[in-house]
Amino acid sequence: EAQLLESGGGLVQPGGSLRLSCAASGFTFSSYAMTWVRQAPGKGLEWVSAISDIGGHTYYADSVTGRFSISRDDSKNTLYLQMNSLRAEDTAVYYCAKATRFQFAYWYFDLWGRGTLVTVSS
Amino acid sequence: DIQLTQSPSFLSASVGDRVTISCQSSQAIKTYLAWYQQKPGKAPNLLIYGASSLQSGIPSRFSGSGSGTEFTLTISSLRPEDSASYYCQHFHGYPAFGQGTTVEVK
Repeated sequence: EAQLLESGGGLVQPGGSLRLSCAASGFTFSSYAMTWVRQAPGKGLEWVSAISDIGGHTYYADSVTGRFSISRDDSKNTLYLQMNSLRAEDTAVYYCAKATRFQFAYWYFDLWGRGTLVTVSS
Repeated sequence: DIQLTQSPSFLSASVGDRVTISCQSSQAIKTYLAWYQQKPGKAPNLLIYGASSLQSGIPSRFSGSGSGTEFTLTISSLRPEDSASYYCQHFHGYPAFGQGTTVEVK
């Protein structure tokens, strides 16, 4: 069974850093783009970042550009999100998801992890 | 940036009712749209992709339609377990989600 399992969330002070991990199993991780989506408490879904399968091209929402960095280790079937200069508004549950490309467009997300909570507070 | 607007934000319906949720895009996005269901405390779950293709394992009472700027998610006969929030997402460019629709089953 295909699964994604996030880890690395927690409480961090404003201006601090955190690295999230997402361990994949049950599918050929290296063949798919992967993404991070977050959800602030009581709010809707916000796409954060994505990384392609071939070439490792990276993509970021304007709200995190320059502060967050996405990467992947296909030998470990693991996706990462390095978050720097964290702000209170980054407080959210962070989900990793498998991204499937549709025709010549970008991606929809057909497998999600359970999420990991990041709280930015002093 | 392309904005998605869902309506209504909340709806309450009875078991067996036909329910429709709308998603309007600020620009034409062909059929580059997906729908997700999210239950409280759980991760989202893909229902529909490509505006009308049913994801494997999703009950056939769920259907999607539309193209361009107007899209609809329909639940043909509402069941108690359909109580959840529903989100549309476009992928014509960097992905973005609608603000969500909460469905309450009376």
